[in-house]
Amino acid sequence: DTEVTQTPKHLVMGMTNKKSLKCEQHMGHRAMYWYKQKAKKPPELMFVYSYEKLSINESVPSRFSPECPNSSLLNLHLHALQPEDSALYLCASSQELGLAGGPGTYNEQFFGPGTRLTVL
Amino acid sequence: ELKVEQNPLFLSMQEGKNYTIYCNYSTTSDRLYWYRQDPGKSLESLFVLLSNGAVKQEGRLMASLDTKARLSTLHITAAVHDLSATYFCAAKTSYDKVIFGPGTSLSVIP
Repeated sequence: DTEVTQTPKHLVMGMTNKKSLKCEQHMGHRAMYWYKQKAKKPPELMFVYSYEKLSINESVPSRFSPECPNSSLLNLHLHALQPEDSALYLCASSQELGLAGGPGTYNEQFFGPGTRLTVL
Repeated sequence: ELKVEQNPLFLSMQEGKNYTIYCNYSTTSDRLYWYRQDPGKSLESLFVLLSNGAVKQEGRLMASLDTKARLSTLHITAAVHDLSATYFCAAKTSYDKVIFGPGTSLSVIP
């Protein structure tokens, strides 16, 4: 199985709602990522988990709360979002982080289909 | 801080023609990635380049890496309409972050 899945595909929420995005992979990858992508812009890294521990937090506002319950699952909990948070949220996974994957390894990131989030 | 630039940002090319997209990065990186993104879709990995002089080819696309010049190129041969998409290059920092370039929006017209 070489797929990263994300649910839901689309999400519309109000500014007072609490919702969660889910990401799953069964490739045995130990690094998982959340990216945010606005229209016609490149993806921006939000969080990185390595071996189920938060490794990188790109100064993301606390209204976004990541969680990695196990090596296959990655969640992004959303609370009190703003309309400017509307975007495509992409999850990715890779074998290892950085040199832990060996300098000669490809360690490419496999991306899920994304969740299109609209905040009203 | 690693910065990644792409040139051009927009490219309209005729079917059957050749063209090259350029990707420059500002500091040393040990991995350079090329991705394709169709409108409203996710990113598809095209190439991962590790070493100086690396060249990879898949169909009408060929990517190369010159680590000394901090330059990667994506060459398109005999373009077809199916290649219309946005192409991103990305470089990995020493802190394990992957920094994306702004993307090149490619339109192939008959």
